[in-house]
Amino acid sequence: GESVGLHLPTLSVQEGDNSIINCAYSNSASDYFIWYKQESGKGPQFIIDIRSNMDKRQGQRVTVLLNKTVKHLSLQIAATQPGDSAVYFCAENWGHNTDKLIFGTGTRLQVFP
Amino acid sequence: DVKVTQSSRYLVKRTGEKVFLECVQDMDHENMFWYRQDPGLGLRLIYFSYDVKMKEKGDIPEGYSVSREKKERFSLILESASTNQTSMYLCASMSQTYEQYFGPGTRLTVT
Repeated sequence: GESVGLHLPTLSVQEGDNSIINCAYSNSASDYFIWYKQESGKGPQFIIDIRSNMDKRQGQRVTVLLNKTVKHLSLQIAATQPGDSAVYFCAENWGHNTDKLIFGTGTRLQVFP
Repeated sequence: DVKVTQSSRYLVKRTGEKVFLECVQDMDHENMFWYRQDPGLGLRLIYFSYDVKMKEKGDIPEGYSVSREKKERFSLILESASTNQTSMYLCASMSQTYEQYFGPGTRLTVT
């Protein structure tokens, strides 16, 4: 069915470590994927995106990996900081050429000193 | 930078009241969306709009309607608010490259 899921609802990491947040998507026809960060009391904020013709994309301290074979998406955050504490959502556009995004339920990242 | 604003951050309404949630974006985007966000359920699409006066039902449209009279403004209407509509409501505007920009959200409580 239409679903974008996350393996871990909560991830706790020590400041300075790398974080990896995973996501499984369900529609093999989806060709665009986004990661959002949502801090408490705020709306989701765009972090990074990737299209299906790529398997890796890097931003500032963040990397998104796409494995189309197993329909898996991950967000890697390098040198995690307290300011990275938030809920992270992955989203896919539901099929080619649609404007509808399907969101996962979110993973909470907690960074402790 | 894209700016999406929502008329209220917090709203408390009584059961049966008509509720209007307003959303404005300043980037001339054609596509706008209304979601609700509940713990454990993530973001669920209520309605979206491709252009002025055009609307499409999302996954959970029951109990809601929308209005898009101007390109920059997309309104969500609860005709008769019920307690199960207590939620965080998020508006988004989408660029031509699929990036969705969200407003700060409106936390609605229906008593």
